[in-house]
Amino acid sequence: LAKTTQPISMDSYEGQEVNITCSHNNIATNDYITWYQQFPSQGPRFIIQGYKTKVTNEVASLFIPADRKSSTLSLPRVSLSDTAVYYCLVGDIGSGNTPLVFGKGTRLSVIA
Amino acid sequence: DAGITQSPRHKVTETGTPVTLRCHQTENHRYMYWYRQDPGHGLRLIHYSYGVKDTDKGEVSDGYSVSRSKTEDFLLTLESATSSQTSVYFCAISDRGGARNTEAFFGQGTRLTVV
Repeated sequence: LAKTTQPISMDSYEGQEVNITCSHNNIATNDYITWYQQFPSQGPRFIIQGYKTKVTNEVASLFIPADRKSSTLSLPRVSLSDTAVYYCLVGDIGSGNTPLVFGKGTRLSVIA
Repeated sequence: DAGITQSPRHKVTETGTPVTLRCHQTENHRYMYWYRQDPGHGLRLIHYSYGVKDTDKGEVSDGYSVSRSKTEDFLLTLESATSSQTSVYFCAISDRGGARNTEAFFGQGTRLTVV
């Protein structure tokens, strides 16, 4: 499983765009980049996944440069309800029986 | 919402007593996981299962054991609870493993306090 590095915490005001960058220098050819979101007192939930370039859904956008050694999760015009921990995971479905492993994530606090 | 239920949701127990947490799923998913979450540590994997009677250790397995005798249930046991095991425990299920997974679903969590 590729090691990831992301900021421990970030603060933002409501209405701003928030970009959370994840570094994964040893990403493998078959690895995908997946982001999970965890609200206080809840378990994480999947929000977006990508392999290269840009992916967008109703929640966020994911930007992946050509070298794939980093990725940026972009949340447009955040609101107080976007306050959560965001986890970046890098890997494939794995050979054998590979578990789902999370790191410490980035704690985003949105301020009114 | 995915059919995954944790029980109990809250528990207070005394040091040295055994404690069992239950995770029940109705999705027939192959993988089941137990995590603990503590301030400053993110989500840490305790044990996981990739099939009935097939389990393996995670990064913080000391002091914990698990059992999976049928697809739908995954039990986490603290043989002799210690104060360091005070935490919020999450169960998760998925149909396949690895970080490419987009179909991992989590339970609501169990808040365990060991006094």
